[in-house]
Amino acid sequence: RKEVEQDPGPFNVPEGATVAFNCTYSNSASQSFFWYRQDCRKEPKLLMSVYSSGNEDGRFTAQLNRASQYISLLIRDSKLSDSATYLCVVKGNTPLVFGKGTRLSVIA
Amino acid sequence: DADVTQTPRNRITKTGKRIMLECSQTKGHDRMYWYRQDPGLGLRLIYYSFDVKDINKGEISDGYSVSRQAQAKFSLSLESAIPNQTALYFCATSDLHSRSTDTQYFGPGTRLTVL
Repeated sequence: RKEVEQDPGPFNVPEGATVAFNCTYSNSASQSFFWYRQDCRKEPKLLMSVYSSGNEDGRFTAQLNRASQYISLLIRDSKLSDSATYLCVVKGNTPLVFGKGTRLSVIA
Repeated sequence: DADVTQTPRNRITKTGKRIMLECSQTKGHDRMYWYRQDPGLGLRLIYYSFDVKDINKGEISDGYSVSRQAQAKFSLSLESAIPNQTALYFCATSDLHSRSTDTQYFGPGTRLTVL
């Protein structure tokens, strides 16, 4: 089982839609969890950290389920500008491990 | 903002050449990282450094070496470039002393092509 697994997509959704991405991780000792956003040919940028209690930042909600070793990202009211690749990132015993990313295209 | 800079931004070279990629940061962070990104493979860690005297191998260090000349500078070298080192290379930093020590900040990337 790979350390961090994501559905690669692409997810093609209309503007205004709600979309959810999932991610699973294999190391039960993992301590920190993040979602990064990467635009085409650009550097990854932190979108949000993921806390055990779940957290929300505007239209974005992240949740962590330690028992199932599962992280999710929910985007409500999708905008064209949300089109990007979303990377699930986990810290275990080493520096961050990045998932391969889930590609989102929001269509007008 | 250009807190983490990488030079060159693009480089085309030939098999067997020695190449150095430079990373500089003005964020005052003590930790620095080099990654490569390939289509379908995601970001993979090459080397990382937690301070000037500290160098650690990552997942795919073979064929690469690094130098941490100062807190603000971390260089990646390909001693003898080969075509399968063609990739997008990112430098990143993180701050041991911040509330979120694991958050990494990336440079704009260097696109390297080895012919």
